[in-house]
Amino acid sequence: QKEVEQNSGPLSVPEGAIASLNCTYSDRGSQSFFWYRQYSGKSPELIMFIYSNGDKEDGRFTAQLNKASQYVSLLIRDSQPSDSATYLCAVNFGEDTGRRALTFGSGTRLQVQP
Amino acid sequence: DAMVIQNPRYQVTQFGKPVTLSCSQTLNHNVMYWYQQKSSQAPKLLFHYYDKDFNNEADTPDNFQSRRPNTSFCFLDIRSPGLGDAAMYLCATSSVGAQYFGPGTRLLVL
Repeated sequence: QKEVEQNSGPLSVPEGAIASLNCTYSDRGSQSFFWYRQYSGKSPELIMFIYSNGDKEDGRFTAQLNKASQYVSLLIRDSQPSDSATYLCAVNFGEDTGRRALTFGSGTRLQVQP
Repeated sequence: DAMVIQNPRYQVTQFGKPVTLSCSQTLNHNVMYWYQQKSSQAPKLLFHYYDKDFNNEADTPDNFQSRRPNTSFCFLDIRSPGLGDAAMYLCATSSVGAQYFGPGTRLLVL
């Protein structure tokens, strides 16, 4: 069973701080990794994707990937109350088999305190 | 703007009464997905189409069916909804890699 694990939280950070969200996955051969933001009652919205080891930055967001440790993280700098949401980590486990669907973690709820 | 559209946004049905949810896309993506998401849970893949090829997840109940008449449209049919089928149903599309979600349909079963 291929799995994506996230701490459910809530993770509470003060406004302006860095929020660090973590995700582990079970298949060492996985190649592509995604972070989605989901506000309560809304659908997931793609924030970032990362394919290679290391860091990828986009505005206030940085995705970090360590394939040896099977670990992917999302850093949110200068956190704002509007960042309060559930963050879903998703992994494509099946590039070698042509499977195109993502497997999602259950998400980490982030609360940014004003 | 290119997008994924779902209708209706809210659907109320009675126990055992068939219901159809619809999804359309203007992204011209060749893959379309249906997910079920319950409160505080991960989206659960029900099935997906790669072009016309249908791929059913092993644990998707027979009560759930899907149709994709053309590239732009995909339908989710729930033949006999039970109380446990109340959830948010998410349609998504992809071309290479990332999936893009529609706004979802929230289904309530009375």
